[in-house]
Amino acid sequence: QKEVEQNSGPLSVPEGAIASLNCTYSDRGSQSFFWYRQYSGKSPELIMFIYSNGDKEDGRFTAQLNKASQYVSLLIRDSQPSDSATYLCAVLASATNKLIFGTGTLLAVQP
Amino acid sequence: DVKVTQSSRYLVKRTGEKVFLECVQDMDHENMFWYRQDPGLGLRLIYFSYDVKMKEKGDIPEGYSVSREKKERFSLILESASTNQTSMYLCASSSSSRAALLGYTFGSGTRLTVV
Repeated sequence: QKEVEQNSGPLSVPEGAIASLNCTYSDRGSQSFFWYRQYSGKSPELIMFIYSNGDKEDGRFTAQLNKASQYVSLLIRDSQPSDSATYLCAVLASATNKLIFGTGTLLAVQP
Repeated sequence: DVKVTQSSRYLVKRTGEKVFLECVQDMDHENMFWYRQDPGLGLRLIYFSYDVKMKEKGDIPEGYSVSREKKERFSLILESASTNQTSMYLCASSSSSRAALLGYTFGSGTRLTVV
């Protein structure tokens, strides 16, 4: 089992729809969770972090965390073509304090 | 604004050459990391450092070495470049005390092609 798992996609959504990106992790001791956005040919950029169960909203982005289910998600409301990118989920490992990255989900927002 | 700077955006090197990739951060971060990223394989950790002159192997250190003589600079060295080291190389840094809230900051990446 991979430490951080994401569906590679592509996830295709029409412009204006809600995009839902999911991530599961294996380390029950993890306390901090991050979402990075990576445009093609560019480096990852941090867009959200969450450490409490529940939802955290920032503009059109909502991160959701369920520690009991070891599940993190990112919702993007009113998706725009400019949101088309690969989204990386990252979990701060409890034993090493290093970020463990998923392989990313490719999101394609269709105009 | 927080900055991680990688010296080259694109590099083309010949097989067998010694290659130096430089990374400098201006955030006084203790921790620095080198990753490579290949399609379908995600980010793979090559080496990391938690302090000056300190280094630890990541998941794929073979064929690489690193140097951290100053806190702000972390260099990745390909001792004898091979075609299978053609990849995007990403440097990242983090604060030991605030990584849980701020995660890592990445440089813009170096796309290395070995011919």
